[in-house]
Amino acid sequence: DTGVSQDPRHKITKRGQNVTFRCDPISEHNRLYWYRQTLGQGPEFLTYFQNEAQLEKSRLLSDRFSAERPKGSFSTLEIQRTEQGDSAMYLCASSILQGGMFTGELFFGEGSRLTVL
Amino acid sequence: QKEVEQDPGPLSVPEGAIVSLNCTYSNSAFQYFMWYRQYSRKGPELLMYTYSSGNKEDGRFTAQVDKSSKYISLFIRDSQPSDSATYLCAISRDNFNKFYFGSGTKLNVKP
Repeated sequence: DTGVSQDPRHKITKRGQNVTFRCDPISEHNRLYWYRQTLGQGPEFLTYFQNEAQLEKSRLLSDRFSAERPKGSFSTLEIQRTEQGDSAMYLCASSILQGGMFTGELFFGEGSRLTVL
Repeated sequence: QKEVEQDPGPLSVPEGAIVSLNCTYSNSAFQYFMWYRQYSRKGPELLMYTYSSGNKEDGRFTAQVDKSSKYISLFIRDSQPSDSATYLCAISRDNFNKFYFGSGTKLNVKP
């Protein structure tokens, strides 16, 4: 399977614990995005990487959230001291931007669902 | 004010009906307009993408953009039960740094 993969698919944790999600993008894609989606809402932008550089972060991404993309391949999203309001689906997407050409297509993974008790 | 507002659902139609899904956006700086489809417990997948005002057709799907009124639409002809999903409009500036999504319209096509 050459699509975007995310792990774990579902994480249940207690308030105050740390969680980490991993995203493996499509191999030749140089852009990687993290989005958060709550029930009945569309995805909300969290952050994006161009290769290994994190170029933009949303104000939604508090200091408890950190994302990395070492070597421009897979990415991790860590949430420290989780709160019940962090319960959501965390979606990763990748895309390719070459020579200024872009098709507008984000390839999404199936998401990592976080439940904070 | 959100960057893009989407008509809320849910929408329930009989098989074969024409479906119209709509969004409005706030800033003329947005140049790229997309429609994504999301099945339950799956990630969104791109249906259609357009840059200019006017219509773009792909099979039973037509995307329409009116930049003067900042209005985007998706029409589905001859709707099928397999079209039952949540439809998300999305917009972006020409740097593609962020994509702003509407809240989604849940469509149910009854056989």
